[in-house]
Amino acid sequence: DVKVTQSSRYLVKRTGEKVFLECVQDMDHENMFWYRQDPGLGLRLIYFSYDVKMKEKGDIPEGYSVSREKKERFSLILESASTNQTSMYLCASHTRWTEAFFGQGTRLTVV
Amino acid sequence: AQKVTQAQTEISVVEKEDVTLDCVYETRDTTYYLFWYKQPPSGELVFLIRRNSFDEQNEISGRYSWNFQKSTSSFNFTITASQVVDSAVYFCALRDTGRRALTFGSGTRLQVQP
Repeated sequence: DVKVTQSSRYLVKRTGEKVFLECVQDMDHENMFWYRQDPGLGLRLIYFSYDVKMKEKGDIPEGYSVSREKKERFSLILESASTNQTSMYLCASHTRWTEAFFGQGTRLTVV
Repeated sequence: AQKVTQAQTEISVVEKEDVTLDCVYETRDTTYYLFWYKQPPSGELVFLIRRNSFDEQNEISGRYSWNFQKSTSSFNFTITASQVVDSAVYFCALRDTGRRALTFGSGTRLQVQP
């Protein structure tokens, strides 16, 4: 069974902390994505990666960075967490034209 | 630029009613894919269907059916004889050649009452 696994379901962090969200996929997909989901806004793309060490900004990259050192792992980094980054974060992977497979989501609260 | 519009924010029906979720998309590409995902309360997005731009055949899978019409740029989703387990947020999404990522609509929350 294909799988995308996010390291945490729930996280509570303090303002100003550096936060790491980890995502691992076991399907050998070249493309990996981080989305943010907020009520009424759907899913918005933060960053994506189409190969190891390659990354591209999505629609809302400000305040975030990413790392992809291995094909199966894609990390989202909040350099200095702020309360407006409280959200649900979803990781996904896919090949060029297949459907995307999603992780279970990480609900991050920044206090 | 790509855009997906799901005008229905929330729909409430009683069990066994049929319900249609609307999706309208915009793209300049002639090659693109459309998707529907379901997000139950657990939070994980579950893939339901993929349709490419060259295949306008409607699809039926059990109680689910999809109506793809290029002439109106719509890809609507119908659930027949709805059940409480269908309660979820449903997302329509688009991918074209200009963008690797999916572009999502804002989602439609479906509540099926017993």
